[in-house]
Amino acid sequence: DAGVIQSPRHEVTEMGQEVTLRCKPISGHDYLFWYRQTMMRGLELLIYFNNNVPIDDSGMPEDRFSAKMPNASFSTLKIQPSEPRDSAVYFCASSFLRDNEQFFGPGTRLTVL
Amino acid sequence: AQSVAQPEDQVNVAEGNPLTVKCTYSVSGNPYLFWYVQYPNRGLQFLLKYITGDNLVKGSYGFEAEFNKSQTSFHLKKPSALVSDSALYFCAVRAPLGGGYNKLIFGAGTRLAVHP
Repeated sequence: DAGVIQSPRHEVTEMGQEVTLRCKPISGHDYLFWYRQTMMRGLELLIYFNNNVPIDDSGMPEDRFSAKMPNASFSTLKIQPSEPRDSAVYFCASSFLRDNEQFFGPGTRLTVL
Repeated sequence: AQSVAQPEDQVNVAEGNPLTVKCTYSVSGNPYLFWYVQYPNRGLQFLLKYITGDNLVKGSYGFEAEFNKSQTSFHLKKPSALVSDSALYFCAVRAPLGGGYNKLIFGAGTRLAVHP
């Protein structure tokens, strides 16, 4: 298995633009997580899905952030409009069954100018 | 509320010496505890977990962790450090969300530097 796949690996955009981050979880995994990592705030859980249904989105910073999981093999995290404070590394992770270890993707490094 | 603390921002160890990365936790109920490692420009990788059973948990790459209920600690250890162990280490605790769902709460991370 290729592991969790994220694209793009790097994204540089200007303030106000829409940004879409993509994730393909490991096949067969039924949980998918989106995290954000910054120096100031560490690793934060933004949202997670179970069987494509959002379970907890309390970590989503504000309405500018949205996430979808249209099927078991694909999820997106969208920021519209983007702001410089959104600059961070965004990780997608997946796991099989509850409380099992999470497998992380390589991350998307987002820079908003 | 569930929480986890990693009291050291950085740990420096000489290669070949034993290493310890500290973690303390606060939970209501039985703790589910995890350690992850992050190498530069990579995602987190699972090392080991404690759910129940033996207090000494063995994991990947020769790492182990000791669960101590009375001290509410879950320190990560390795008998002999390698330069390649240099990375960022995260402790995590399971936090219930209700409805049978849980999430992980991660500590701030400890940077381990192993010197030749």
